[in-house]
Amino acid sequence: GDSVTQMEGPVTLSEEAFLTINCTYTATGYPSLFWYVQYPGEGLQLLLKATKADDKGSNKGFEATYRKETTSFHLEKGSVQVSDSAVYFCALISYTGGTSYGKLTFGQGTILTVHP
Amino acid sequence: GAGVSQSPSNKVTEKGKDVELRCDPISGHTALYWYRQSLGQGLEFLIYFQGNSAPDKSGLPSDRFSAERTGGSVSTLTIQRTQQEDSAVYLCASSLPVPGKPYEQYFGPGTRLTVT
Repeated sequence: GDSVTQMEGPVTLSEEAFLTINCTYTATGYPSLFWYVQYPGEGLQLLLKATKADDKGSNKGFEATYRKETTSFHLEKGSVQVSDSAVYFCALISYTGGTSYGKLTFGQGTILTVHP
Repeated sequence: GAGVSQSPSNKVTEKGKDVELRCDPISGHTALYWYRQSLGQGLEFLIYFQGNSAPDKSGLPSDRFSAERTGGSVSTLTIQRTQQEDSAVYLCASSLPVPGKPYEQYFGPGTRLTVT
């Protein structure tokens, strides 16, 4: 079956530090990959996505590249801010048999705290 | 337009009681998903609707859980004879599938269920 593994958290950084949150996956079909973010007290929001190998998703200064050879989709940001403090979830949808829908399979989430 | 809404936002119930959780998807979104977020299990898929039918119910944890969708819009998740392990945040998401394209799922704020 499909699965997503994220680096263990929590991650604590100082403002302007470089962020990497590792994510690897296994999938039965050809997956599309996502990063979702959950800010304190809020619902899940899509942060970025990538649909095929070597695609780079980007949003709000965050980037992630779909690496098929290493089955990875690591999230990076060059300079984090206090407002980036949140829980980050890596996820995939695996499309098989010609279907164009799919349930999201999530990683366990990584708590990020950024201090001033 | 309005996003996905869920009600109630919080529900406290006694063990053994039945509960109903409601989801109003984004207008025009034909696909609707229920997920559960709990400390021990992370984010888990429960059930998927396309229109009023549910082609994937594979995530429902037991026959105490059921869901329906009427008019291709509102969905209700029902938990009968609640148990303490049912305590979690229940999330609803909706999307508008486009054949051949990965599509974004938009999440509601969730219903926090506490079984005492």
